[in-house]
Amino acid sequence: QKEVEQDPGPLSVPEGAIVSLNCTYSNSAFQYFMWYRQYSRKGPELLMYTYSSGNKEDGRFTAQVDKSSKYISLFIRDSQPSDSATYLCAMRDAGGTSYGKLTFGQGTILTVHP
Amino acid sequence: EAGVAQSPRYKIIEKRQSVAFWCNPISGHATLYWYQQILGQGPKLLIQFQNNGVVDDSQLPKDRFSAERLKGVDSTLKIQPAKLEDSAVYLCASSLNRMDNEQFFGPGTRLTVL
Repeated sequence: QKEVEQDPGPLSVPEGAIVSLNCTYSNSAFQYFMWYRQYSRKGPELLMYTYSSGNKEDGRFTAQVDKSSKYISLFIRDSQPSDSATYLCAMRDAGGTSYGKLTFGQGTILTVHP
Repeated sequence: EAGVAQSPRYKIIEKRQSVAFWCNPISGHATLYWYQQILGQGPKLLIQFQNNGVVDDSQLPKDRFSAERLKGVDSTLKIQPAKLEDSAVYLCASSLNRMDNEQFFGPGTRLTVL
C-alpha cells in the first residue's frame, strides 16, 4: 500500500465549476500537508500548505485536513481554464533525519473547459 | 529572483549508456533535492543535500545512480549504466533550509532510455 493515495482522474469540468481534489494517507506521523500545481512540461509549484488539521483559504482555493480520517482535500471555486494542470498532494513529518522529505501523491489531472 | 535552473531539458540515450544532469539552485538555498517523476506518478525523492552533505539518499539506487553537490551550490546527478526503467523526468528542487515548507522546482530533465 502506498503511503499517499490520490485519484489520478482525469477530471474534466466546465468553467466556473467547484472542483474537489482529494488524497488519503496511511502515515500518522505526517504533520505538514501541501498542494502543488504542475503545468505540462514544468516543475511543480507550491499552492498552499497547512499544518495539522483544519482549513486554510487563499482566494479561490481552500485546503482541508482531517487527520482523524487521514484525508486531505483541495477545493477550487469558480474554476478557470488557467487552472488546468496536474495537482499533487504532498506531505511530510515534523522531525527525524529526513526532515523536509516530501511524499507525493500520484497527481490528479484537471481540465477546465470554457 | 532567478529560479532553479536545470540542463539539459531533454536527453535520449541507449540502455547501458551513462548520462549526467546538472542543477543550479536558487541563490542562498541550503537544501537541494533530486526527484524522479515517472509518467503518471508523483515525484519520488532520490537524494537530499544540506549544503554539500547528503541528508537522505535512502531511495537512490546506488549501484547505478550517484550525485554530488560541490561547494554547496550546483549539483550533478549521474546514471551509469542506464536502464529502460530510468526513463522519467528528473526534477531538481531547492529550499532555504530543511525546515522550509516550500520547495522550488526546476523545469526538469526528461530522460528517455531506448
